[in-house]
Amino acid sequence: NAGVTQTPKFQVLKTGQSMTLQCAQDMNHNSMYWYRQDPGMGLRLIYYSASEGTTDKGEVPNGYNVSRLNKREFSLRLESAAPSQTSVYFCASSEMVGVAGELFFGEGSRLTVL
Amino acid sequence: EDKVVQSPLSLVVHEGDTVTLNCSYEVTNFRSLLWYKQEKKAPTFLFMLTSSGIEKKSGRLSSILDKKELFSILNITATQTGDSAIYLCAVFNQGGSEKLVFGKGTKLTVNP
Repeated sequence: NAGVTQTPKFQVLKTGQSMTLQCAQDMNHNSMYWYRQDPGMGLRLIYYSASEGTTDKGEVPNGYNVSRLNKREFSLRLESAAPSQTSVYFCASSEMVGVAGELFFGEGSRLTVL
Repeated sequence: EDKVVQSPLSLVVHEGDTVTLNCSYEVTNFRSLLWYKQEKKAPTFLFMLTSSGIEKKSGRLSSILDKKELFSILNITATQTGDSAIYLCAVFNQGGSEKLVFGKGTKLTVNP
C-alpha cells in the first residue's frame, strides 16, 4: 500500500521556468492538499481540494495553480518559478475535509529555484 | 487570524530525560488538535485530541488538551535517540477554509 506518492522528489529550476508536481493517493480519500515547508515556518497550505472537481486557495496560493485530475490525483503547477518558491512541498490526503481527522502525507518534493 | 504557537522551538536533552512540548492556539471554531512527528521526510501522525482532560497515550508518548486555556502538551518519557525529530502541532478549524493550521514545530534532539 503506497499511500501518498509524490513526484519528482528533487528538482532544480531556473527563475521563470515552469514545472508540475504530481501527487497520487491510493486510499480512496476525498480530500487532498498541497503544503510547503520552509525552515522556521512550519507547514503552510497552498491549495486544497475538498472533493473531485473542486479546488480552493489556502494561505499562500500566489504563484501556484492546481488541478484535481480525478479522485486519486492532485497536481501543483508553478507557471513561472521564483527563488521565493524554493521549498519542500508536501502533498497530503484525508478522508474528507471538515471531518477534522488525520492527514496522510507524501514524502515531499524538494524544489530549488535558482 | 488563526494561530498555533509551539514552544520551545528547539530542545536538546540526554537519553532517559523526560520532555514536555507545548502548543497553544487561537482559532475561531476549534474542532481538533493533532500532533505529528517529522523525522527526515513526511510527518507521521501521533495523536488527535478533541476533548479536554482526556489523555491520549502511546508507549512513552502522551498528550492532553485543555480547551479552556487553549493549549496542549506532548510528553515523552525516557527519551531515546530515535525520538529526535521535529514535533508539529496542528489545529483543525471548523469554519473558513477547512484546513489544518500548523505551528512552526519543536525540534527535539536526544543525545546518547
